[in-house]
Amino acid sequence: DTEVTQTPKHLVMGMTNKKSLKCEQHMGHRAMYWYKQKAKKPPELMFVYSYEKLSINESVPSRFSPECPNSSLLNLHLHALQPEDSALYLCASSQLDYGYTFGSGTRLTVV
Amino acid sequence: EDQVTQSPEALRLQEGESSSLNCSYTVSGLRGLFWYRQDPGKGPEFLFTLYSAGEEKEKERLKATLTKKESFLHITAPKPEDSATYLCAVHPNPMNRDDKIIFGKGTRLHILP
Repeated sequence: DTEVTQTPKHLVMGMTNKKSLKCEQHMGHRAMYWYKQKAKKPPELMFVYSYEKLSINESVPSRFSPECPNSSLLNLHLHALQPEDSALYLCASSQLDYGYTFGSGTRLTVV
Repeated sequence: EDQVTQSPEALRLQEGESSSLNCSYTVSGLRGLFWYRQDPGKGPEFLFTLYSAGEEKEKERLKATLTKKESFLHITAPKPEDSATYLCAVHPNPMNRDDKIIFGKGTRLHILP
């Protein structure tokens, strides 16, 4: 299995909702990432987990809460989001020097 | 400051018209340079990793090369299905932050039939 699987593919949520994005990989990669991408912009790093521990938080607002239950799973919990948080959310995993493998993303719309 | 610059921002070519995309970088050290292809609304698809100056890699109509200051993605006789955004990313070494790569802004390539 050489894929990173993200669910759901699309999500529409209200500003008072709580939802979660899920990411799974079975490549044995030790690092997992959340990125946010706006249209016609490169991906922006949000969080990095290395060996299941949070190693980088790029000053992301607390309404985004990451969780790494085990080495294969990564979640992003969403609460009280704003319309400007609408974007493509990408999960990735890596074994460092061999490049990152990205999932197909979750298209999030906040209404 | 570590930086990755891609040019041009956008490129329109006729089918079969070969060209090159540029990725120039300024980093404290290079651990690896990555090329990705991204289709609209989808995640980046890994193409190549280059590690040292002089290295070249090929895949179908794509060839990536690396020098000490830049990388080129050469597209030979492109087809409309090659239309996408091509992203370059650099993994600095030594790293100030663990596992953080730096993306360029991408080149949007459009191949006209």
